[in-house]
Amino acid sequence: QKEVEQDPGPLSVPEGAIVSLNCTYSNSAFQYFMWYRQYSRKGPELLMYTYSSGNKEDGRFTAQVDKSSKYISLFIRDSQPSDSATYLCAMDNQGGKLIFGQGTELSVKP
Amino acid sequence: KAGVTQTPRYLIKTRGQQVTLSCSPISGHRSVSWYQQTPGQGLQFLFEYFSETQRNKGNFPGRFSGRQFSNSRSEMNVSTLELGDSALYLCASSLNRASTDTQYFGPGTRLTVL
Repeated sequence: QKEVEQDPGPLSVPEGAIVSLNCTYSNSAFQYFMWYRQYSRKGPELLMYTYSSGNKEDGRFTAQVDKSSKYISLFIRDSQPSDSATYLCAMDNQGGKLIFGQGTELSVKP
Repeated sequence: KAGVTQTPRYLIKTRGQQVTLSCSPISGHRSVSWYQQTPGQGLQFLFEYFSETQRNKGNFPGRFSGRQFSNSRSEMNVSTLELGDSALYLCASSLNRASTDTQYFGPGTRLTVL
């Protein structure tokens, strides 16, 4: 069993929809939780970073962490075609080493 | 400020050969991590270097090695290439080793082993 599980999709939604992306993890030592976005032929770029349980909002993006359930989510409101990319959750507990989920491929149709 | 650069961007090798990939971190960043990305396994951690020392290593065979230079630039080497080594190799740099230090990724080197 992988330490971090993420549904690879693909996920296709119409423009303007609310998107929900999720990851579960098994290692309770994970303290830091990130969401990266990766466009085709590019390296991942950091979208959101959270440390504690709860919600963190940045524009149209909301990251949610539930440490008791070992579950993290990323919500995208008013999704745009430019949001079409692969979204990767990542976790860290020892600096310098990120453990990634499989990545969810998202397509937002105009 | 320039981002993380990786060279070459694309590489084609044959089984049994060896390959060296290069990574130049963001100026001032001292930690460099390497990852392998494949459709089947996703992004997997290879190793991390800080102050010219390997600080952390993933579950990869000894054919995968790396080093870091005094200017923080890093190289990774894969010897005796296998077909399964075909992947996107990503380098990420961060200011230091703290978990709160964001890792910034380069565009990757696409390695194809024939």
